[in-house]
Amino acid sequence: QSVLTQPPSVSAAPGQKVTISCSGSSSNIGNNYVSWYQQLPGTAPKLLIYDNNKRPSGIPDRFSGSKSGTSATLGITGLQTGDEADYYCGIWDSSLSVGVFGGGTKLTVL
Amino acid sequence: EVQLVESGGGLVQPGGSLRLSCAASGFTFSSYEMNWVRQAPGKGLEWVSYINSRGNIIYYAGSVKGRFTISRDNAKNSLYLQMNSLRAEDTAVYYCARDRTGDLLVDYWGQGALVTVSS
Repeated sequence: QSVLTQPPSVSAAPGQKVTISCSGSSSNIGNNYVSWYQQLPGTAPKLLIYDNNKRPSGIPDRFSGSKSGTSATLGITGLQTGDEADYYCGIWDSSLSVGVFGGGTKLTVL
Repeated sequence: EVQLVESGGGLVQPGGSLRLSCAASGFTFSSYEMNWVRQAPGKGLEWVSYINSRGNIIYYAGSVKGRFTISRDNAKNSLYLQMNSLRAEDTAVYYCARDRTGDLLVDYWGQGALVTVSS
């Protein structure tokens, strides 16, 4: 059971939009910046969003992030088959002094 | 180009030990905090341990505390994870991960090293 809660799976058609939620608590999401990672099959994770809503260089603006209270959301628009991957939220928990990841969400582009 | 290359993975019996290494290049290693993150087969990411740039602040996940030891050698641009008293549930791919801010903002990941604990 992860400290951060994500839906196990989401799906949508190509070209559509999808959102992935990440629910935490006041000691993690409520008090720190959230990062999001994309893990394509058989590869290492890649940073997708940091500081709740910032995109690293090279990440298209189809990917966005937001945070409200103790929850964060990853949004992906204009879905492509190449977006099929596992997505994880991650953060430092200041109260526990540990790093935490969500359980991961598998995105299927139908 | 930032590169993180793990080595030292393999098959080990329950109760055994293994030492993972991570060779860093393409950036000033001594300026960055580092983490180890693992992923069991078919499972999600699990944070394992953190070390600050100087090596004097260290944290561990509860599941490995007392058994694993993280360390670094800034002169050799290397990160290490000494794993003792290994259990079957420690079987995973172990990733070396550069932390940009010390808040688990991992901007670069290694390719991973597979550790299999089995008799």
